[in-house]
Amino acid sequence: EAGVAQSPRYKIIEKRQSVAFWCNPISGHATLYWYQQILGQGPKLLIQFQNNGVVDDSQLPKDRFSAERLKGVDSTLKIQPAKLEDSAVYLCASSLDTGNHPQYFGPGTRLLVL
Amino acid sequence: AQSVAQPEDQVNVAEGNPLTVKCTYSVSGNPYLFWYVQYPNRGLQFLLKYITGDNLVKGSYGFEAEFNKSQTSFHLKKPSALVSDSALYFCAVRAGGSYIPTFGRGTSLIVHP
Repeated sequence: EAGVAQSPRYKIIEKRQSVAFWCNPISGHATLYWYQQILGQGPKLLIQFQNNGVVDDSQLPKDRFSAERLKGVDSTLKIQPAKLEDSAVYLCASSLDTGNHPQYFGPGTRLLVL
Repeated sequence: AQSVAQPEDQVNVAEGNPLTVKCTYSVSGNPYLFWYVQYPNRGLQFLLKYITGDNLVKGSYGFEAEFNKSQTSFHLKKPSALVSDSALYFCAVRAGGSYIPTFGRGTSLIVHP
């Protein structure tokens, strides 16, 4: 079974530029998560989808971050414009459903904003 | 609001010795508790979970964790550590009535040969 795929693996941009990350979850997984992991900290949930609907986006900085999950499968996370403090690893995860199901994580996208 | 605390930034243990990585939590209602491991340059991997039932749960790679409701703890344990267990370990909690997972800041486990 293929795992969670993410691209790109690394991205370097200048502040005020825009960037987009892509995630393909495990087939059949209804729930998809985007996390931001800053060095030395645990993953922080940005947004959670159930199929193509948003379950929670309370920690998503909506003035600059956006995410969508069209057709309930792939998802993209966009930052526009980027700030220096957005430098982090962006993790995508999926689970069979919400609740007590474990999450399966992709390798992450490491973003550096200069 | 739910929260997770991992009080130790780093745990050092000699190979062959037992290890414990601590986790305490705060939620409203019954918790769903998880442990994940992150090896260098790799994504987080699920180790084990507690949902209900037996307080001692067993997971991958010989790890186990004990749920203690009175102490609101879910410590990760292994009877005999391996050098290859060296990694970053994250505890996560989700309240029974919530969809939202919360992660701790992680504990770096270093197993010395």
